[in-house]
Amino acid sequence: AQSVTQLDSQVPVFEEAPVELRCNYSSSVSVYLFWYVQYPNQGLQLLLKYLSGSTLVKGINGFEAEFNKSQTSFHLRKPSVHISDTAEYFCAVSASTGRRALTFGSGTRLQVQP
Amino acid sequence: DAGITQSPRYKITETGRQVTLMCHQTWSHSYMFWYRQDLGHGLRLIYYSAAADITDKGEVPDGYVVSRSKTENFPLTLESATRSQTSVYFCASATSGRRLEETQYFGPGTRLLVL
Repeated sequence: AQSVTQLDSQVPVFEEAPVELRCNYSSSVSVYLFWYVQYPNQGLQLLLKYLSGSTLVKGINGFEAEFNKSQTSFHLRKPSVHISDTAEYFCAVSASTGRRALTFGSGTRLQVQP
Repeated sequence: DAGITQSPRYKITETGRQVTLMCHQTWSHSYMFWYRQDLGHGLRLIYYSAAADITDKGEVPDGYVVSRSKTENFPLTLESATRSQTSVYFCASATSGRRLEETQYFGPGTRLLVL
């Protein structure tokens, strides 16, 4: 089984500042890693995913994440945030074999202030 | 190009009543999922389906029933609703294939309140 820990429930940040949302996972098997974003009253949208290869993954809206196998982390970063980035961000993992269901973290609320 | 839709979007019901949440996707994706979202828990898997007539339990299946007679539909039924089932329910779908890393596409969610 897999588990995901998002270390910060809320992250306030000023517009144009950089941000990092932290995610750590636990698994006894190889995993795929995902970041999803949820805007208010909407479903989840995929930001980026790590499957294999380069540990630095670039996604939509200027976000990127780095997979660190030794630290079992997959932190999400953006060098300069906008007001429109205000949303809930979820880290998720799935086993690389077997059932493809996602295990989600509890989410991080990113609040971008002017 | 409807994608994945859920109905109703909002539902208020009473304890003990049966409730069915509908999920419909137009992509012919093989895999479909039901998650519930609660504060502090993120999303938790209730049931999933790998194809028509193939379903399996997730992390929190108690009190729920699913069926999948057609590829495009995956209804979720609360047999006797309880207050603890007040939540936001998300349906998702994903393509089939040998690789398991296909992106899951989520519906807009159904907000359910059980009084």
